[in-house]
Amino acid sequence: DAMVIQNPRYQVTQFGKPVTLSCSQTLNHNVMYWYQQKSSQAPKLLFHYYDKDFNNEADTPDNFQSRRPNTSFCFLDIRSPGLGDAAMYLCATSRGSNEGYEQYFGPGTRLTVT
Amino acid sequence: AQSVAQPEDQVNVAEGNPLTVKCTYSVSGNPYLFWYVQYPNRGLQFLLKYITGDNLVKGSYGFEAEFNKSQTSFHLKKPSALVSDSALYFCAVRDNPTGGFKTIFGAGTRLFVKA
Repeated sequence: DAMVIQNPRYQVTQFGKPVTLSCSQTLNHNVMYWYQQKSSQAPKLLFHYYDKDFNNEADTPDNFQSRRPNTSFCFLDIRSPGLGDAAMYLCATSRGSNEGYEQYFGPGTRLTVT
Repeated sequence: AQSVAQPEDQVNVAEGNPLTVKCTYSVSGNPYLFWYVQYPNRGLQFLLKYITGDNLVKGSYGFEAEFNKSQTSFHLKKPSALVSDSALYFCAVRDNPTGGFKTIFGAGTRLFVKA
């Protein structure tokens, strides 16, 4: 089945130690998103890619970076994790036209910062 | 700016009874409206959407939603609730065309269905 895969499902990192979360998709969608979700709150968009075009949200901290080496993969890098970065990180994809296509979400990576 | 509100943190309903989860929105253009469901420790799962056309849209698992332009609402409904419907529900909006690909999610409503 076509899907969005996130690895790892659970990640523990130390305060200040860089961490990378990965996302892959078999849907061949143009758009990939990264969201941060804390304690069952609304997912907060960090950034998205439309093909190779990177779109950063204005309030996303510089500590968060992303890479998309090809259509299938997208990475979230947290350069110096703080305790406040502990959250569920959700990757999502959608088709790449402005016709109201829904998003397909991965299962998420739960990040713990110690 | 686009925004979405879910006025109820929690909705409780007995199994077999109809359920409604409320959502109102604000956009500057035409709205694309979505409902997603989230089960514990899982990603969001798409239920249904309104793009254009009929105001009543039907989606997965027997859910439906009614778009009301005058009231700027998009309430989620189901005629007969199941215990397995218990989950966290998010309403979401995209502003067409000014919003691009950015989707704004509501704060979520937790649905409890009691047997």
